[in-house]
Amino acid sequence: DIQLTQSPSFVSASVGDRVTITCRASQGITSYLAWYQQKPGKAPKLLIYAASVLQSGVPSRFSGSGSGTEFTLTISSLQPEDFASYYCQQVKSYSWTFGQGTKVEIK
Amino acid sequence: QVTLKESGPVLVKPTETLTLTCTVSGFSLNNDRMGVTWIRQPPGKALEWLAIIFSNDEKSYSTSLKTRLSISKDTSKSQVVLSMTNMDPVDTATYYCARVQWFGTYFFYYYLDVWGEGTTVTVSS
Repeated sequence: DIQLTQSPSFVSASVGDRVTITCRASQGITSYLAWYQQKPGKAPKLLIYAASVLQSGVPSRFSGSGSGTEFTLTISSLQPEDFASYYCQQVKSYSWTFGQGTKVEIK
Repeated sequence: QVTLKESGPVLVKPTETLTLTCTVSGFSLNNDRMGVTWIRQPPGKALEWLAIIFSNDEKSYSTSLKTRLSISKDTSKSQVVLSMTNMDPVDTATYYCARVQWFGTYFFYYYLDVWGEGTTVTVSS
């Protein structure tokens, strides 16, 4: 199976900060990557798919980039509602897998 | 409005079989370019993908759990059923179902665009 490693595991940031989360794949997955946001006690929410396509309704401060084995999720200006956990997911080949998650906390 | 809702037992005993149902509305399980997948999340841990079923009845399972999982659908009831045998306390988790869509012609870019709220299952004697 393809392994995904996210870094960092925790981010302490302030409102207005630029935040970047990295997801590295154990083998090349071209652009078969999605990003999800999860708030405590809630289901994940799709943010980005195909590495860089913004899901309808998601604020433009979220962006995704990368291909092959290294990907990034960027929040250009952190808002109070963005404090949450973020997961990447590869959909290149079965079994699909998720990263271990990155928690964005208030500084 | 597209919704998915998980249902099933809250508590199961070790060695028992878990059966979960995902009831969908707002789309048909026969829709082309759509599928339904199951994901779980143990308390305080990461998401884990379990299984998927497509409109053409094609299925795929997690490599590590494939011997214990079975997924099926009843289009007339708009339901997808996941069964997991030989339950263990480590299987305690919130189980989610989600709709899968994709685009592309030769290469398919999948994404999970609508999720159910999840159902929590505890495995304990």
